[in-house]
Amino acid sequence: GENVEQHPSTLSVQEGDSAVIKCTYSDSASNYFPWYKQELGKGPQLIIDIRSNVGEKKDQRIAVTLNKTAKHFSLHITETQPEDSAVYFCAATLSGSARQLTFGSGTQLTVLP
Amino acid sequence: ETGVTQTPRHLVMGMTNKKSLKCEQHLGHNAMYWYKQSAKKPLELMFVYSLEERVENNSVPSRFSPECPNSSHLFLHLHTLQPEDSALYLCASSQGITGADTQYFGPGTRLTVL
Repeated sequence: GENVEQHPSTLSVQEGDSAVIKCTYSDSASNYFPWYKQELGKGPQLIIDIRSNVGEKKDQRIAVTLNKTAKHFSLHITETQPEDSAVYFCAATLSGSARQLTFGSGTQLTVLP
Repeated sequence: ETGVTQTPRHLVMGMTNKKSLKCEQHLGHNAMYWYKQSAKKPLELMFVYSLEERVENNSVPSRFSPECPNSSHLFLHLHTLQPEDSALYLCASSQGITGADTQYFGPGTRLTVL
């Protein structure tokens, strides 16, 4: 089955700096990679996703890159703000199949004012 | 709000108690999920229901018993739990059943087993 490794487990950045979280996956057939953000006291919320037919996707200050050859994908947050502080989870699956998401173990991002 | 509500938000129970967690989704989705979230670990999928039928059960101990009476409601019945079952239990829903269907999560129930 799929295995997803996520690094780092904790990340502190100064407000305004960029943050990068990386994930690797084991199943080369996986082709759908979402990222979820979990704020304190809330459930995870989808913030961006990417499919294997593209290498990069952006949405304002958030971007995700995918390297299918190396089987890794990354979340990039630019111009970080205090409200970006949360736990971020990556996940992977095979789109169109019945296979469910395999999640990474999460990254606690703290943006220091 | 995500359209998925969970009650109670916090629950403390002894190992001999019986309790139930409730989840309700107001999104008109066809699939519902239970996840277990423990500190520093990936979300663990417990159960998946599609149109009220259980489609996945990931080797969950029988002390956890799910129930899906209709496509809007999902329950997790708990009995004779162990302290290691203490965790945040998350409910989610999605339109379709595949992993690529966006899942909408509730806020979770924080369960403590004494």
